[in-house]
Amino acid sequence: DTGVSQNPRHKITKRGQNVTFRCDPISEHNRLYWYRQTLGQGPEFLTYFQNEAQLEKSRLLSDRFSAERPKGSFSTLEIQRTEQGDSAMYLCASSLYEARFFGPGTRLTVL
Amino acid sequence: AQKITQTQPGMFVQEKEAVTLDCTYDTSDQSYGLFWYKQPSSGEMIFLIYQGSYDEQNATEGRYSLNFQKARKSANLVISASQLGDSAMYFCAMREASRNTGNQFYFGTGTSLTVIP
Repeated sequence: DTGVSQNPRHKITKRGQNVTFRCDPISEHNRLYWYRQTLGQGPEFLTYFQNEAQLEKSRLLSDRFSAERPKGSFSTLEIQRTEQGDSAMYLCASSLYEARFFGPGTRLTVL
Repeated sequence: AQKITQTQPGMFVQEKEAVTLDCTYDTSDQSYGLFWYKQPSSGEMIFLIYQGSYDEQNATEGRYSLNFQKARKSANLVISASQLGDSAMYFCAMREASRNTGNQFYFGTGTSLTVIP
C-alpha cells in the first residue's frame, strides 16, 4: 500500500498524559499537513511542512502541541498534558502538487 | 464569512440516479483550487476531484464531475449513476495560495449522502 499511513489508529489516554502520533506520507510527496476533525465538522488545519521545514501553524496549535518532520520524511505530532477537548480525529495528509491525500487518521479519546 | 459553504447537511438519492451536492466559496484571490473529498464511516478522507480557478473546462473523474461556475463562486459535485458505496460524507474544500493568505486550505461542514436501494 503506497498511501499515507498513520499510527496508531486509535489512542485512549487519561487527561494530563502525553501522546504522540506518527504519519508516513506518500514517499515522493514533499508537503505534509496535520488536521484535526471533530464530530460533524470538516477537518481543521493544524500545521504544514514542506520537506523538513514547518512553514505554517494554525492558531489552533497551542503550546501543548508540537510537530516535527525530521529529514523531511515521516512526521510526528505530540500533544502534552492532554485535555478532554483534545479528543478528536487527527488526520495527516501529503501532497506533491495540488491534491492532498489523507491517511486513515488517529482517533484520540481523552478520558 | 465562511470560506466554504455546503448548505445541504443531508441528501438522499435513489440508486442509479444522479445527485448534485452544492458548494459555494468565498475568496478574493485570483488563483485558487477547489476540491471534493469523500469520507466514509471508516473515517479516511478520499480525494475525488480537483478544479483550478483558471481551468476553463469542468473537471471530470469517472462518475464524478465538478460543475464550476466562477462568477457565482460555486463548485457543485455531480455524481452520476449513484451506487450504494457512494453513501458517505462529502466535503468541499478550497486552497488559497497568495501573498495575502499564504497556503490556506479550507473545508466545508460536509454533506451526508445516503444512496437508497
